[in-house]
Amino acid sequence: AQKVTQAQTEISVVEKEDVTLDCVYETRDTTYYLFWYKQPPSGELVFLIRRNSFDEQNEISGRYSWNFQKSTSSFNFTITASQVVDSAVYFCALSGGETSGSRLTFGEGTQLTVNP
Amino acid sequence: GAVVSQHPSRVICKSGTSVKIECRSLDFQATTMFWYRQFPKKSLMLMATSNEGSKATYEQGVEKDKFLINHASLTLSTLTVTSAHPEDSSFYICSAARTSAITDTQYFGPGTRLTVL
Repeated sequence: AQKVTQAQTEISVVEKEDVTLDCVYETRDTTYYLFWYKQPPSGELVFLIRRNSFDEQNEISGRYSWNFQKSTSSFNFTITASQVVDSAVYFCALSGGETSGSRLTFGEGTQLTVNP
Repeated sequence: GAVVSQHPSRVICKSGTSVKIECRSLDFQATTMFWYRQFPKKSLMLMATSNEGSKATYEQGVEKDKFLINHASLTLSTLTVTSAHPEDSSFYICSAARTSAITDTQYFGPGTRLTVL
């Protein structure tokens, strides 16, 4: 079975601080996909990134960066110079492979609060 | 591109009534749609997967007769909560993918908040 663990339930930072959200996953599949989604108070899930299991290259998109470490089964997300608008719940998710196909398994989410 | 809408965004109903929630892919054809349920401050729980023209596949523990899913076209899936009870109150979110392939990203709708009195 697939499992995603986001150990940080809540994180609170002050604006302009950098913050890293941790994600650890478990899967028996050799091919799989990892995702990060943002859920602001409005409730809509916003897609941030998708990585496949064969691509361990780190990615940067503006203030966002992702670190995929297959050796430790982690896919961490860093926000640089955080802003109040970054306040949301962030979900890490896993899909793909022989056992789960396209079904998404979500972590429990991390509530990020950025204070002015 | 890849916009998914849900209607209604909020619904309040009396216990015992049925409620239908629509999920539409606005600018792409979705062979596969997913329905999730989310309790306050909790994660998303997959309820069922529907493929256009086929019966939905329900996750373990989800009552098929209570949560009726229809995916009659490539742009529309509906979830009907039958004989709703207060414990069915939740945030329901759909997602749509062009195909069922694992390479396809799911795009999420804005969600429907159901309150059963």
